[in-house]
Amino acid sequence: DAGVIQSPRHEVTEMGQEVTLRCKPISGHNSLFWYRQTMMRGLELLIYFNNNVPIDDSGMPEDRFSAKMPNALFSTLKIQPSEPRDSAVYFCASSRGPQETQYFGPGTRLLVL
Amino acid sequence: AQTVTQSQPEMSVQEAETVTLSCTYDTSESDYYLFWYKQPPSRQMILVIRQEAYKQQNATENRFSVNFQKAAKSFSLKISDSQLGDAAMYFCAYRKAGNMLTFGGGTRLMVKP
Repeated sequence: DAGVIQSPRHEVTEMGQEVTLRCKPISGHNSLFWYRQTMMRGLELLIYFNNNVPIDDSGMPEDRFSAKMPNALFSTLKIQPSEPRDSAVYFCASSRGPQETQYFGPGTRLLVL
Repeated sequence: AQTVTQSQPEMSVQEAETVTLSCTYDTSESDYYLFWYKQPPSRQMILVIRQEAYKQQNATENRFSVNFQKAAKSFSLKISDSQLGDAAMYFCAYRKAGNMLTFGGGTRLMVKP
C-alpha cells in the first residue's frame, strides 16, 4: 500500500497568497484528518471527514482556512490569504473509520514569508 | 477535556540499552484507546503501538512494549535493545471511542552509539 500521500512536501509562499495542500488517503479508508504541527502548539486537529462529509471543523483556526473532500480519493486544505503565523507542518491522516487507527502522511512543510 | 502529559522533554539512551518514556493522561471515560507515535527527522508520524483500555494485557510490538496502568492513568513506552534508528520524537496520544486524537507534547529520544 502506498500510504497516505501529501503534496507538495514543501511550500514557500508570500503573505497574502493562496495556498492549497493536497492529500490522498489510503485506499479503503473512510475517515480523513488534517492536523497542524507547530513548536508552540504541538499537534492540533484542524478538521476531520467521515465518508467525505466534514464532521468536526472546530479546530480550524479562522475563516481563512477551508477544507474539502469531493470524493473518497482526495482532500484539500486551502489557506486564503496566507499569513506568516500559518507556517507549520500540515499532516493528513486516514483511517478505516473514525474509531480506527490513524495513519499519517509525510506532511507538508509550509513557510509563509 | 482530555489532556495528555509527557513529562520528559528529552531522554537519552545508550545503544542496545533499554529506555522508558512516560505518559499520563486525564479522562473520566472507561472506554478509550492509547497510542505511541514516532516522528523521525523526516517529520512523518509513524504508529509504534496501540493499546485498548479494556484490555488488561500490555501491548507489545517487537522491541516496543507498554506499561498500561489504567487506575493510575499511565501509559509508558519501553524500548528494548535501543537502536540508532530509534532516535526521534515520540508522541503519546489518547482517543475516546468515536472521538479524535489528543497528543502529548512529545519526548525527544537521543540514542548514543
